[in-house]
Amino acid sequence: SQQGEEDPQALSIQEGENATMNCSYKTSINNLQWYRQNSGRGLVHLILIRSNEREKHSGRLRVTLDTSKKSSSLLITASRAADTASYFCATDSEGGGNKLTFGTGTQLKVEL
Amino acid sequence: DAGVIQSPRHEVTEMGQEVTLRCKPISGHNSLFWYRQTMMRGLELLIYFNNNVPIDDSGMPEDRFSAKMPNASFSTLKIQPSEPRDSAVYFCASSFERDRGYRYTFGSGTRLTVV
Repeated sequence: SQQGEEDPQALSIQEGENATMNCSYKTSINNLQWYRQNSGRGLVHLILIRSNEREKHSGRLRVTLDTSKKSSSLLITASRAADTASYFCATDSEGGGNKLTFGTGTQLKVEL
Repeated sequence: DAGVIQSPRHEVTEMGQEVTLRCKPISGHNSLFWYRQTMMRGLELLIYFNNNVPIDDSGMPEDRFSAKMPNASFSTLKIQPSEPRDSAVYFCASSFERDRGYRYTFGSGTRLTVV
């Protein structure tokens, strides 16, 4: 079963708007990561947030983590058409070693 | 660095045939993962290796699937015999630990179609 579930499944916005995607997970984690996948390509690592962190920034990306609610959000500010892709959260469970379990993904479409 | 290299990019085969997917991880990465992606089931971890040793193969769907990592620079995923329901995109990823976190680098995947 999927450890992470993303919400929404699909999101369509206009260029320049912000995009927010959410991820929920089930077990205690060490880290949570976000990945991006362009159509027909492999996943690309975007950002990692540790379980003792609450917020992290990288360029136009902002990630929050709420371990009490077992949830995370990814915010992309000032979106561009090139941000069109699927976005996945991934978690490594405590005691689970370096194995990542991926969520179901959010398909983001940024229109001109 | 050329990244994680997978071959072939596309494979079309007939049911019952043997299929071998190949992966070359990034030099210096000590973990290698095989994932399968389908619309219905998303990304599923099939098996992973640490330092060339299989650690967890609980995701391997059936005995028809096998994976090997004979050395640090090469791994194979074999399906024998293949079935139409094996059609999917198979990804290989490698990782190393940095700052108490493992970041994966994925290959471009092999799109397998079994007819």
